[in-house]
Amino acid sequence: GAGVSQTPSNKVTEKGKYVELRCDPISGHTALYWYRQSLGQGPEFLIYFQGTGAADDSGLPNDRFFAVRPEGSVSTLKIQRTERGDSAVYLCASSLGLAGGPIDTQYFGPGTRLTVL
Amino acid sequence: AQSVTQLGSHVSVSEGALVLLRCNYSSSVPPYLFWYVQYPNQGLQLLLKYTSAATLVKGINGFEAEFKKSETSFHLTKPSAHMSDAAEYFCAVTLGTGGFKTIFGAGTRLFVKA
Repeated sequence: GAGVSQTPSNKVTEKGKYVELRCDPISGHTALYWYRQSLGQGPEFLIYFQGTGAADDSGLPNDRFFAVRPEGSVSTLKIQRTERGDSAVYLCASSLGLAGGPIDTQYFGPGTRLTVL
Repeated sequence: AQSVTQLGSHVSVSEGALVLLRCNYSSSVPPYLFWYVQYPNQGLQLLLKYTSAATLVKGINGFEAEFKKSETSFHLTKPSAHMSDAAEYFCAVTLGTGGFKTIFGAGTRLFVKA
């Protein structure tokens, strides 16, 4: 079946602009994760959804970052007033969720490369 | 706070040689540990995971890792490297309680020489 998809694959924007990054999880996966991966670093946890609710948003760096998952499937990561330091690859992953527990396998999408000029 | 340290940002081995990628973790509660691989221009893929069922974990592509609580380590090994193993490898830890937040190490890039 289809894996996790993310759109767009690349996004170039100007400092101060607003961007939205989309994630389509694997069908039936109730858990969804957003990570940020800067050059030369490992993925950095941003937020985790179980169903429609954000179960853990402790990784969001500040209030410019916000994510939603209104119907428990597709999720959108929203970044307001983008800064050059926001440039990174944003990764999305999905998993079975509570049924799988904390050892649940996460399946990653290819990522969206965000460049803020 | 939980953390993961991967020793060596780059490791180079000859084809057929032993692969050893080091990972040490810090956790106040029993952790769940993972190794992921990222091939060029591809997404992260799970190699193996430690779930407390057995300390020696076997994964895909001939990789295995051993959980050593006394050393707080979870090193990844493969007896004989293949050219196709060249990739970036990430060690990660998820807490057994308090949520599903996963902490990744900085990664180790493996080069395999012919």
